[in-house]
Amino acid sequence: DIQMTQSPSSLSASVGDRVTITCRASQSISSYLNWYQQKPGKAPKLLIYAASSLQSGVPSRFSGSGSGTDFTLTISSLQPEDFATYYCQQSYSTRETFGQGTKLEIK
Amino acid sequence: EVQLVESGGGLVQPGGSLRLSCAASGFTFSSYWMSWVRQAPGKGLEWVANIKQDGSEKYYVDSVKGRFTISRDNAKNSLYLQMNSLRAEDTAVYYCAREERGGYYYYMDVWGKGTTVTVSS
Repeated sequence: DIQMTQSPSSLSASVGDRVTITCRASQSISSYLNWYQQKPGKAPKLLIYAASSLQSGVPSRFSGSGSGTDFTLTISSLQPEDFATYYCQQSYSTRETFGQGTKLEIK
Repeated sequence: EVQLVESGGGLVQPGGSLRLSCAASGFTFSSYWMSWVRQAPGKGLEWVANIKQDGSEKYYVDSVKGRFTISRDNAKNSLYLQMNSLRAEDTAVYYCAREERGGYYYYMDVWGKGTTVTVSS
């Protein structure tokens, strides 16, 4: 199975900060990489698909980049509602896998 | 409104069985791949299984292969997960998700709120 590794596992930041989360695949996955946001007690929400395409309704401060094995999720200016856990997920393989998650906390 | 509603979770003893259901509404269910994703308490997301539109292809994470069976009834707009030989490590919230595969790339764009499965004696 393809392993997905996110870094960092946790991150403290302030409102207005620019934040970048990294996701690395154990083999090339082209651009079959998605990003999800999850808040406590809630279902995950799709933010970015195909590595860099913004899901409808998602604020433009969220962006994604990368291809092959290395990917990033960037939040250009953190808002209070952005403090949550973020997961990358590969859909290249028939057996899809998620990264372990990055918890974004308020500094 | 596009919606997925899971049901069927509960407390079950190790070695027992449980069948989860996911009722879809607001979209053409038969046109989409569907997935189950779970989340153990305090842990991350784990993809469990998915199924093609007509049920002809099914895939599973290794840890549930041979114990869990994903199925669907397009006439009832419903997705199922039959879970047998349950273990403590299967304890989790189980989410049903729609997979968008209409284009070149695949992603889960609609999620249910989840149903909780607890395996304990």
